[in-house]
Amino acid sequence: GDSVTQTEGPVTLSEGTSLTVNCSYETKQYPTLFWYVQYPGEGPQLLFKVPKANEKGSSRGFEATYNKEATSFHLQKASVQESDSAVYYCALTLPQQGTGSKLSFGKGAKLTVSP
Amino acid sequence: GPKVLQIPSHQIIDMGQMVTLNCDPVSNHLYFYWYKQILGQQMEFLVNFYNGKVMEKSKLFKDQFSVERPDGSYFTLKIQPTALEDSAVYFCASSLLTSGNTLYFGEGSRLIVV
Repeated sequence: GDSVTQTEGPVTLSEGTSLTVNCSYETKQYPTLFWYVQYPGEGPQLLFKVPKANEKGSSRGFEATYNKEATSFHLQKASVQESDSAVYYCALTLPQQGTGSKLSFGKGAKLTVSP
Repeated sequence: GPKVLQIPSHQIIDMGQMVTLNCDPVSNHLYFYWYKQILGQQMEFLVNFYNGKVMEKSKLFKDQFSVERPDGSYFTLKIQPTALEDSAVYFCASSLLTSGNTLYFGEGSRLIVV
């Protein structure tokens, strides 16, 4: 079936270091890809929708890339801050007519940034 | 950004009792969703809802679960009767349009079944 796999488990970084989170997916359809962030005690919020294949997107200092051939997409930040501590989810929706955007989440990567 | 409101934020309930979780979606959105998240685990899709009907549901959406949005009021998730394994945070979400559209989530309703 269709699925999204997020490879990182908990990540602990020092402020100023770089972050990379990787996701891959399996589907025969053409998905729309997203990165969501969830801060403690809150619901997931959109970080951004990943742009078309082989284009970079960016938001709040994060960048996303998408390799359509490898069916993978990646989230990066060059220099993390303590305020970036959260759980980062990759997610996708599939083109479904009339049934809404069922968002399938990866397992999430919990980022803890220490000062 | 757009806000989805959920009531209550927390509820403790005895096993076997009924619970209703309420969601006030973004005002012009047409599609509504419930997700379940057990503490520290993945977000799991339960159901989505459009034009008064369930469009798709997962195997987690047991027979004891039901959803409705009477007359454009709250979008509700009802569990009757509750079981211990229903303890989780339930997130409501809404989207304006269909496939590929962004989902906006509420802050969740933490349900504890004892």
